[in-house]
Amino acid sequence: DAGITQSPRYKITETGRQVTLMCHQTWSHSYMFWYRQDLGHGLRLIYYSAAADITDKGEVPDGYVVSRSKTENFPLTLESATRSQTSVYFCASSDNRGRSMNTEAFFGQGTRLTVV
Amino acid sequence: AQSVTQPDIHITVSEGASLELRCNYSYGATPYLFWYVQSPGQGLQLLLKYFSGDTLVQGIKGFEAEFKRSQSSFNLRKPSVHWSDAAEYFCAVGALGYSTLTFGKGTMLLVSP
Repeated sequence: DAGITQSPRYKITETGRQVTLMCHQTWSHSYMFWYRQDLGHGLRLIYYSAAADITDKGEVPDGYVVSRSKTENFPLTLESATRSQTSVYFCASSDNRGRSMNTEAFFGQGTRLTVV
Repeated sequence: AQSVTQPDIHITVSEGASLELRCNYSYGATPYLFWYVQSPGQGLQLLLKYFSGDTLVQGIKGFEAEFKRSQSSFNLRKPSVHWSDAAEYFCAVGALGYSTLTFGKGTMLLVSP
């Protein structure tokens, strides 16, 4: 299906475990983003990527690792999950072509992660 | 740095009444402004956006927003709210040369019968 898909939709993991959230987009958008959504904080940017093999930190990157070997995939890994990482995670993509215009971001359905 | 303030955490509106959700931004140059809506359990959907030109922009689902540079505001309006509009609304700001958007904390809209 066209669009941006996240998997899994729901995940429960234990403290200290590694977990990877997947994000796949079919538009060939250059930019991809990971946000977390928490009550009282809105959406906060974790990491983003301008293109394959180019990633950069956002507002709250600690405890997370990203990679982007292919344009269409942007996995987010929690290397050692903590309870504070319990959240809803959203992946997004944008066809932001260079510095000509900051276009809108398109969001996936989200992954609800619970760390116990 | 860019910032976005949505002063109202919750708003309750009667069905059929008009709606205005407030958004104030902080940025030195001309911002790019967005409103997104999030229904329960869903991702964010773009309602409308402002880049330049006419300061009154029309979006989907009957929403509109007005950019007021003098007030650093981009308030979202709808003349007659429907029960299906109950959702959380996010204002976001971007800018030329910036790769990312900064989001407000959201306003939860409740619609009463």
